[in-house]
Amino acid sequence: KQEVTQIPAALSVPEGENLVLNCSFTDSAIYNLQWFRQDPGKGLTSLLLIQSSQREQTSGRLNASLDKSSGRSTLYIAASQPGDSATYLCAVAGIYNQGGKLIFGQGTELSVKP
Amino acid sequence: KAGVTQTPRYLIKTRGQQVTLSCSPISGHRSVSWYQQTPGQGLQFLFEYFSETQRNKGNFPGRFSGRQFSNSRSEMNVSTLELGDSALYLCASTRQGSNTGELFFGEGSRLTVL
Repeated sequence: KQEVTQIPAALSVPEGENLVLNCSFTDSAIYNLQWFRQDPGKGLTSLLLIQSSQREQTSGRLNASLDKSSGRSTLYIAASQPGDSATYLCAVAGIYNQGGKLIFGQGTELSVKP
Repeated sequence: KAGVTQTPRYLIKTRGQQVTLSCSPISGHRSVSWYQQTPGQGLQFLFEYFSETQRNKGNFPGRFSGRQFSNSRSEMNVSTLELGDSALYLCASTRQGSNTGELFFGEGSRLTVL
């Protein structure tokens, strides 16, 4: 059974810092891994998706890496801003994914202080 | 283009009642998935519909059901509500045939059971 873990559960940093969020999964037979952002009381916003054959994806100040063999992914946020404050979730789709079933981690709650 | 639309956004019910939530996917998306989010359990997969057929189901009791219409809109129903059903219910859509399997989420329906 696939399990996804995110460490740390919460993180507080001063504005401008570079930071890394971690995600680990127990079954390496994944189709893809997706990082989301969730603001309080809101839905999920897709940030980056990495296919199992890829090693990393970049979008602006965000960079996500994937090491399938070790069951790990990291989300790197450069030059953090107060607007980055949110909960970040990673989710994996199994290799037999038929579109909509993801297994989520519990999330990392990020607070960026001005 | 318009994103995933969920209605209603907020609702309050009492134990024993039933509730129906609606989800309109992104135009052209034919797969709709439903998730339950609670503080204790996080995000959990409920079920997925594609072409009016349920093709994936999570580990929830039979009180949770859903359906999809020919225009890809989906509804989920919860009967005999329990206090523990209080949660944010999220709907996501994805394109059929997409190699990425990227999911796009709505803002959610916040259900409170009293």
